[in-house]
Amino acid sequence: RKEVEQDPGPFNVPEGATVAFNCTYSNSASQSFFWYRQDCRKEPKLLMSVYSSGNEDGRFTAQLNRASQYISLLIRDSKLSDSATYLCVVKGSGYALNFGKGTSLLVTP
Amino acid sequence: EAGVVQSPRYKIIEKKQPVAFWCNPISGHNTLYWYRQNLGQGPELLIRYENEEAVDDSQLPKDRFSAERLKGVDSTLKIQPAELGDSAVYLCASSLSNQPQHFGDGTRLSIL
Repeated sequence: RKEVEQDPGPFNVPEGATVAFNCTYSNSASQSFFWYRQDCRKEPKLLMSVYSSGNEDGRFTAQLNRASQYISLLIRDSKLSDSATYLCVVKGSGYALNFGKGTSLLVTP
Repeated sequence: EAGVVQSPRYKIIEKKQPVAFWCNPISGHNTLYWYRQNLGQGPELLIRYENEEAVDDSQLPKDRFSAERLKGVDSTLKIQPAELGDSAVYLCASSLSNQPQHFGDGTRLSIL
């Protein structure tokens, strides 16, 4: 079983819609959690860190449930430019980032 | 600030040929990573350097892959000989110790 599991996707949503991505992780000792965004043929870029208290950055809200080992990302009022692959990332006490497979989002006019 | 620079951007070779990728990390970043990303998958760590020392190479296929970071700055990743299954995007990332990692554009390798 992979350490980080994500919704298979793809998600096709109209502009303005709200979309949610889910992710689970298997290592209860994991310490840091992130969402990365990866555009087609580009490198992954850090979108936001995820904290137990939940955190928001504009239209993006990330939440972490340590008891359930579950991470989510909510995007409100989707824009065409939000179309990308969203990677759930978990980090232990070391340096290595453990990536999920990614969930593809396509926002349509 | 210049980001992580990788070259070449694309590489197409025949199987059994050697290939090398180059990475220049962000200035001042002591930690350098090589990841491999297969189609439809997330990146997976191959090797991590702290300055010039490889401190985590447990996922590097050592029979055909090698890497070096001689002066603790630039790094090269080599495959010899390449196999069909090596087709992937090879991503380099750098960080200041355990701070957030910044990725380069990657080298897209195709094996014929």
